[in-house]
Amino acid sequence: SQTIHQWPATLVQPVGSPLSLECTVEGTSNPNLYWYRQAAGRGLQLLFYSVGIGQISSEVPQNLSASRPQDRQFILSSKKLLLSDSGFYLCALLLGSSYNEQFFGPGTRLTVL
Amino acid sequence: GQSLEQPSEVTAVEGAIVQINCTYQTSGFYGLSWYQQHDGGAPTFLSYNALDGLEETGRFSSFLSRSDSYGYLLLQELQMKDSASYFCAVGSSASKIIFGSGTRLSIRP
Repeated sequence: SQTIHQWPATLVQPVGSPLSLECTVEGTSNPNLYWYRQAAGRGLQLLFYSVGIGQISSEVPQNLSASRPQDRQFILSSKKLLLSDSGFYLCALLLGSSYNEQFFGPGTRLTVL
Repeated sequence: GQSLEQPSEVTAVEGAIVQINCTYQTSGFYGLSWYQQHDGGAPTFLSYNALDGLEETGRFSSFLSRSDSYGYLLLQELQMKDSASYFCAVGSSASKIIFGSGTRLSIRP
C-alpha cells in the first residue's frame, strides 16, 4: 500500500523568509502528485499538480513554485513568504483503477508571522 | 471559471439521515468524488461517481446527475463520529482535481 511522507508537521516562519516543503511517496510508481493549500476553516485550493518527473502544472498565480526532481518526490517552495501563505499544505497522489481516488499525506501546518 | 458549490454548514441529529448537495461548473468532467475531513486531519476518500445514479457504500451513498451538474452525499444512521467536514471534488481533466469549499456537518445527540 502507498504511503506519503510530509515534513515538518508544523512550521512557523517569518514574513519574507524562504520555504521548502517536501513530499515523498512510497508503495507506488509514476503517481500523479498534487499540492493543495487549505486556509483555516476553508476548502482545498489546488496549487500544483504533476504527472511525471519535471512536469508541473500551476493552478494559481502566486509566489510559490513546485518541482518534481524524482518520480516519488514533490517539493513546494517559496523565495519570500507572505502572511497569506499561512495554511495547511497537503500533498496527495491519485489512486484507483480509474484514477478516481486521491490519497492524502498528513500535511504541514504553516504559520507565517 | 470553474466552481463547486456546497452548503457551508449542516446540522443533524444522531441516528437521522442527512444529504449534502454539490453543484459544479467545470470545463471538463471526469467524475465527482466525496471526501471526509476531521478537524486537524487530512481528507479521506469516501466515494466516486463517474456515471449517473446512486453508489452505495455502507451507511454512505453518493448520487450524480451529469445533465444537472449536480450530486449529493447521503449519510444514514448518523453517528457522532460522522461530525466532520465533507468535500465534493471534480476531475476537470484526467489529472486535474478541484474541490468545493466544504460542508461542516454537526451532529447533535
